[in-house]
Amino acid sequence: DIQMTQSPSTLSASVGDRVTITCRASQSISSCLAWYQQKPGKAPKLLIYKASSLESGVPSRFSGSGSGTEFTLTISNLQPDDFATYYCQQCNTLGTFGQGTKLEIK
Amino acid sequence: QVQLVESGGGVVQPGRSLRLSCAASRFTFSTYAMHWVRQAPGKGLEWVAVISYDGSTKYYADSVKGRFTISRDNSKNTLYLQLNTLRAEDTAVYYCARDHQEYSRTYFFDYWGQGTLVTVSS
Repeated sequence: DIQMTQSPSTLSASVGDRVTITCRASQSISSCLAWYQQKPGKAPKLLIYKASSLESGVPSRFSGSGSGTEFTLTISNLQPDDFATYYCQQCNTLGTFGQGTKLEIK
Repeated sequence: QVQLVESGGGVVQPGRSLRLSCAASRFTFSTYAMHWVRQAPGKGLEWVAVISYDGSTKYYADSVKGRFTISRDNSKNTLYLQLNTLRAEDTAVYYCARDHQEYSRTYFFDYWGQGTLVTVSS
């Protein structure tokens, strides 16, 4: 089974900051990776797919990069609406998620 | 706007069964693979199962294989998940989600329902 490990588990930042979340796969998954945003009590929202493709309607301050086993989600110019939990998910073998990164207001 | 509405959750005793439904609307249901994803209270997301657009192919997470069955009725635009031999660790919000691309299984989920809570407890 492919394991997905996100870091950090919690991240504190301020409005206007630039933040990066890392996701590592236990084996190569090429570019088969997505990023989701989830707010409390709500369903997740797709942000990035195929590691770096921005989903329609998602602000351009969200960007993804990486391939193989290491991937990053970068959020530039943090907005109040961005404070949420973020998950990576591999699609190479079924659909394993990372454990999540909670982005908190500093 | 695509709409997915889950139903069928509730409180059930260990070892019993439950069937979840997901009613789809405002898109061509019969051309998309569909997934179930669950989230235990306070925990992360876990992919559960996928069914191809025509129902011919199904895959499951190891944690539910042999106990859960995914199915669909394209004439009713509805996705199902039959949960058998339920365990306490199956307690979660169950989401149905649409695959990102028609006639394919990308395992990217672009639309999600609001979720239905299943609680397994005696």
